[in-house]
Amino acid sequence: DAKTTQPNSMESNEEEPVHLPCNHSTISGTDYIHWYRQLPSQGPEYVIHGLTSNVNNRMASLAIAEDRKSSTLILHRATLRDAAVYYCILRDWDDKIIFGKGTRLHILP
Amino acid sequence: GAVVSQHPSRVICKSGTSVKIECRSLDFQATTMFWYRQFPKQSLMLMATSNEGSKATYEQGVEKDKFLINHASLTLSTLTVTSAHPEDSSFYICSARPPGLAYNEQFFGPGTRLTVL
Repeated sequence: DAKTTQPNSMESNEEEPVHLPCNHSTISGTDYIHWYRQLPSQGPEYVIHGLTSNVNNRMASLAIAEDRKSSTLILHRATLRDAAVYYCILRDWDDKIIFGKGTRLHILP
Repeated sequence: GAVVSQHPSRVICKSGTSVKIECRSLDFQATTMFWYRQFPKQSLMLMATSNEGSKATYEQGVEKDKFLINHASLTLSTLTVTSAHPEDSSFYICSARPPGLAYNEQFFGPGTRLTVL
């Protein structure tokens, strides 16, 4: 499985932007970059995914490096409800989602 | 977005009993569902892939005779933990993907917290 590397934890102040990095130096040409997050005591929820171009949706933005070896999930204005574990995942044609350790994001009021 | 439900949300049982957990896709049909297990402070671990109308595919190290999976319809998969023991206490989460491209988003259930006494 292609692997990703994320910081164990990050902190951010409420109402400020948050940039969550992910390194995936062994990414293959057909791997999509997915982000999921898991709020406390809940199942994970989809955040965003992309292949080569930057992506925006109502939850976040995904910035993908030109060589695709890294990406950054951007929360434009963090709220307390964004405190969660964020997982950066590579997926190919295979359905399976394999979770790494993720980044635990703490939001300070 | 699509909704996946699980029942029960939490269950407490005695050691040696069997527990069944249901996973339902409420507004879409899912030929494939997935089962995960999560211990406290750890990440999710994929246990098995549940295929409608055929046998489940188990990940390495997961005992298929202990964790029985039945995907009898396009909206329901069940996980039965047989002869449960305290070490089986965990947070069990299912997920399902609506028909379409494999790399599209998956939807996860809210999880079932199993406590074996």
